[in-house]
Amino acid sequence: KQEVTQIPAALSVPEGENLVLNCSFTDSAIYNLQWFRQDPGKGLTSLLLIQSSQREQTSGRLNASLDKSSGRSTLYIAASQPGDSATYLCAGLIGSNYQLIWGAGTKLIIKP
Amino acid sequence: EPEVTQTPSHQVTQMGQEVILRCVPISNHLYFYWYRQILGQKVEFLVSFYNNEISEKSEIFDDQFSVERPDGSNFTLKIRSTKLEDSAMYFCASSVRGGRSNEQFFGPGTRLTVL
Repeated sequence: KQEVTQIPAALSVPEGENLVLNCSFTDSAIYNLQWFRQDPGKGLTSLLLIQSSQREQTSGRLNASLDKSSGRSTLYIAASQPGDSATYLCAGLIGSNYQLIWGAGTKLIIKP
Repeated sequence: EPEVTQTPSHQVTQMGQEVILRCVPISNHLYFYWYRQILGQKVEFLVSFYNNEISEKSEIFDDQFSVERPDGSNFTLKIRSTKLEDSAMYFCASSVRGGRSNEQFFGPGTRLTVL
């Protein structure tokens, strides 16, 4: 069964720190991986999409990497701000059904 | 910038009632999806739809559920005889392409509360 796992489940850091969120997947037949942001009770905001042929994508202070061989993706957030506080979800397009398989998310709190 | 829209944002219904959740995908997209997220749990795939028929569905998507594209713009999810455990956030998504190249764009969600 295809699984996507995110560690840690929660993370609290002081403002200004650089941080890394982790996402791992069990199936190397991954076609792309998306990172999303979800605020409490709200929808899903797409942050970055990495195709399987790419190794990383950058958007502003965010950088996402993908390593198919190790089954891992990371989301790097530079110079964190209180407004970055949210739950960050990764989802992989995996397997012959081309379905998005989701992690449980990392709840990030940036302390002012 | 084009976006996926969903209505209503919040739906409250009594157990056993039927509900229809509505989505307007991005206009040039051809593939449509429904996902749900029960409070505190992972987002789960329900169904994908292309060319007026279901392409994939999960185990969750049983006979209680149906999808339809009634006109050129709307994509609906119908839940017959709702149960308490159907309470969740329901997300619609769309993509230009299917298969391995698809990037899915999500709507803001409909929060369904079944009493």
